[in-house]
Amino acid sequence: DAKTTQPPSMDCAEGRAANLPCNHSTISGNEYVYWYRQIHSQGPQYIIHGLKNNETNEMASLIITEDRKSSTLILPHATLRDTAVYYCIVRVVDANTGNQFYFGTGTSLTVIP
Amino acid sequence: EAGVAQSPRYKIIEKRQSVAFWCNPISGHATLYWYQQILGQGPKLLIQFQNNGVVDDSQLPKDRFSAERLKGVDSTLKIQPAKLEDSAVYLCASSPLRGMNTEAFFGQGTRLTVV
Repeated sequence: DAKTTQPPSMDCAEGRAANLPCNHSTISGNEYVYWYRQIHSQGPQYIIHGLKNNETNEMASLIITEDRKSSTLILPHATLRDTAVYYCIVRVVDANTGNQFYFGTGTSLTVIP
Repeated sequence: EAGVAQSPRYKIIEKRQSVAFWCNPISGHATLYWYQQILGQGPKLLIQFQNNGVVDDSQLPKDRFSAERLKGVDSTLKIQPAKLEDSAVYLCASSPLRGMNTEAFFGQGTRLTVV
């Protein structure tokens, strides 16, 4: 079952920062927050992940609150190609099953010219 | 490195027919996942393998769906007989067995239409 809640849709002006929020209030201490995105007709693509520290890579930044109950994905300069559905996922690690990735319904981001 | 390969990309069948999907994960990845994605929804985990063993099939409709991963490499997912509500994209993903920085890599998916 999904452990995250996200707004169903958001708009962002091209060139501006896109800030996508996610709530994961039941996250456990050893569970990581992952973000994926899915462009139409493609498989989900990994963006970034973190445990408790803020993370940055060439695609995005991930800000995790101190209590770890929520996070924000930041696309610093959104382009039209960033239009996609963004999924916030809690990676569950179980001794029997290993790593499991449970998707919610995601946020549909539309970048507007 | 080569990504997760899936085939076919598209399939149209009539209800009550059977269908099979194939997945070849990234070389060396011990964990393989099959997801079902219905239009407008997020992917739902159907079954998870570690090497050639099933570790989670709690969401798999076992009366009509089956999957195998012989030799712990590629995998097939079968539906027999198909229903209209099985129309969806079937995604395969793979990941290394362990590691803090483990991510799942997804294939392009197979779009199934049941008419």
